[in-house]
Formats: sequence, structure tokens, C-alpha cells
Amino acid sequence: DGGITQSPKYLFRKEGQNVTLSCEQNLNHDAMYWYRQDPGQGLRLIYYSQIVNDFQKGDIAEGYSVSREKKESFPLTVTSAQKNPTAFYLCASTPEGTGGAREEQFFGPGTRLTVL
Amino acid sequence: GENVEQHPSTLSVQEGDSAVIKCTYSDSASNYFPWYKQELGKRPQLIIDIRSNVGEKKDQRIAVTLNKTAKHFSLHITETQPEDSAVYFCAAPWGGSTLGRLYFGRGTQLTVWP
Repeated sequence: DGGITQSPKYLFRKEGQNVTLSCEQNLNHDAMYWYRQDPGQGLRLIYYSQIVNDFQKGDIAEGYSVSREKKESFPLTVTSAQKNPTAFYLCASTPEGTGGAREEQFFGPGTRLTVL
Repeated sequence: GENVEQHPSTLSVQEGDSAVIKCTYSDSASNYFPWYKQELGKRPQLIIDIRSNVGEKKDQRIAVTLNKTAKHFSLHITETQPEDSAVYFCAAPWGGSTLGRLYFGRGTQLTVWP
């Protein structure tokens, strides 16, 4: 299970609080991704980054923010502006910046966020 | 962006039977079609993929077929076993773009009954 890690595994948040989910990879991959998974919704892309110091919004970026200051790290902040944040969050990576469109994406184990 | 539709959303089969999951996509320039398997509480993992220069690819009990004209691709699992029970996702890129992202289908919950 090494290569791409996420922490914590479970996270509880009170309404109105910001929380940050960690994603780290030691695969030397250029591209990293954040997905949200809800029952029956599949994998919805929040943000992705093809290279350090650059990132793009996905399909559901509202209420989320990211940074990519280091190649191996891509943290996701769930802000209080995200109205329904309870979900399973998955981080992924691919070797090359555009590789996510034609190469395997390697997923982390996920973080389950619950808003109390 | 790409529009990927996946059917059925749930599928139940008897052990030993075959299972077929179908996906359609909208961009004729799309050129890479992976399938991921996600067991309950675990991360998705790639099980097979196909590129647009071939029509079929097999790996033991699983196979993927691609019909570029009709813009659909299918996952075939033969001789199903209870451990095949999982959610399966298809995906496709936006073919004409250099953006490194995939568009995923909504998933199919496969249940294999012993």
C-alpha cells in the first residue's frame, strides 16, 4: 500500500470549520488529483495539478482549495463554504503531467470526512 | 468536457456466470479507456485498460472491447467469483485536450452470489 498516502483516515468536523486533508506521494509523479466520492455519484474531480506550483479546478471546486508547493504533496482544504462536505475523499497521482488522460492513476486509501 | 455514461448501475449474477458493463463516451478523439475496481472501503485500482488503436484486450477472466464508431466500450468478466463483487468504474479523457484528467462513469455495483 505504499506510494501514495492520505491522512487522516477518518476526520470529523464541526460546521463552520475549515479542515485540511493530507496527500503525499513518493512515486516522483508530476500530476496529482483530488476526487470526492458519494454513494451513486462515482468519482467527481475537485482539483488537479499537472506540475508543481500550478493547479486547475475540476468539476466541483466550489468550497475547496488546494496548494502544490512541493512535488510530493497536494493538500486539500475543505472550507466552511462547502455546504455538504460529508464524503469520502480520494487522492490520486500519475507519472506525467498530462498522463492522467492516458495512464494509470494510482489512488491513495482515502479520507472519510464527517461533518457533525 | 467528456460525457461518460455507465450502465447498469447495479448488476447481480450467479457465481460462474458472465457479467458485462457498458460505457459510452461523447468525444470521438478520446484515445484511452481504463476500468477501475473498488472493493468496499478500499481505493480504486486499475484492472484493465484499452487504447483506441485496438478493439479488444484480454487479461485472464476479464476483457475490454472498444467500438470507436459507436463510441462505447465494455468490460466483460467471465466465470465470475464472489471476490469479483465490487464497484467498477469506467473512464475516458477529453481526447482533444492536453489537460491530464479523466472523466469517470458513475459506477456499477456488481454482486456475485455463490
